[in-house]
Amino acid sequence: TQLLEQSPQFLSIQEGENLTVYCNSSSVFSSLQWYRQEPGEGPVLLVTVVTGGEVKKLKRLTFQFGDARKDSSLHITAAQPGDTGLYLCAGERPSNTGKLIFGQGTTLQVKP
Amino acid sequence: DTGVSQNPRHKITKRGQNVTFRCDPISEHNRLYWYRQTLGQGPEFLTYFQNEAQLEKSRLLSDRFSAERPKGSFSTLEIQRTEQGDSAMYLCASLRDRGGMKQFFGPGTRLTVL
Repeated sequence: TQLLEQSPQFLSIQEGENLTVYCNSSSVFSSLQWYRQEPGEGPVLLVTVVTGGEVKKLKRLTFQFGDARKDSSLHITAAQPGDTGLYLCAGERPSNTGKLIFGQGTTLQVKP
Repeated sequence: DTGVSQNPRHKITKRGQNVTFRCDPISEHNRLYWYRQTLGQGPEFLTYFQNEAQLEKSRLLSDRFSAERPKGSFSTLEIQRTEQGDSAMYLCASLRDRGGMKQFFGPGTRLTVL
């Protein structure tokens, strides 16, 4: 059973388009993290959200944590080829062990 | 801050052989995590240490797997009698539990079992 459902799994768009990736769960998380992963490398942390309703921006990327802390979204404005990669959401349950539960990932391809 | 390092980066072995991977966390990070990632999936938690104590193990960690962190610094993950299903990327991550719980990952070790 996948505790975190991430969608879509694949996305191929043209440069300049906007996109949103969703991460949904029926469970509450104390925090949710978004990572980006290049082929053959480990995930690189983009952002951590901890408060329900929190919105964080990182240049053209906007991250939101749901009010109930069960879901999150990543919105990219005016996507560029350099945004191509695997995007992963990962939640930490309230047990405070730091253990992360990952979604399946979204493979994004931005064509020039 | 030199980041999390893992060695080797790639390992090809024959079924039935034993393999050992090493992870060096960011210095002063007291927690260390091991994850496994198969192609097209997100990482799955295997086990974690707080200092030298192994505090949780996933049921994914069969009795062929063992992890140690003897001095609370680097960690090793050993797989005995490897099987083809063990082929995956093995990722290590560390965090400082007074540092906002931000988890930083190493580059991973890609294991291929023939």
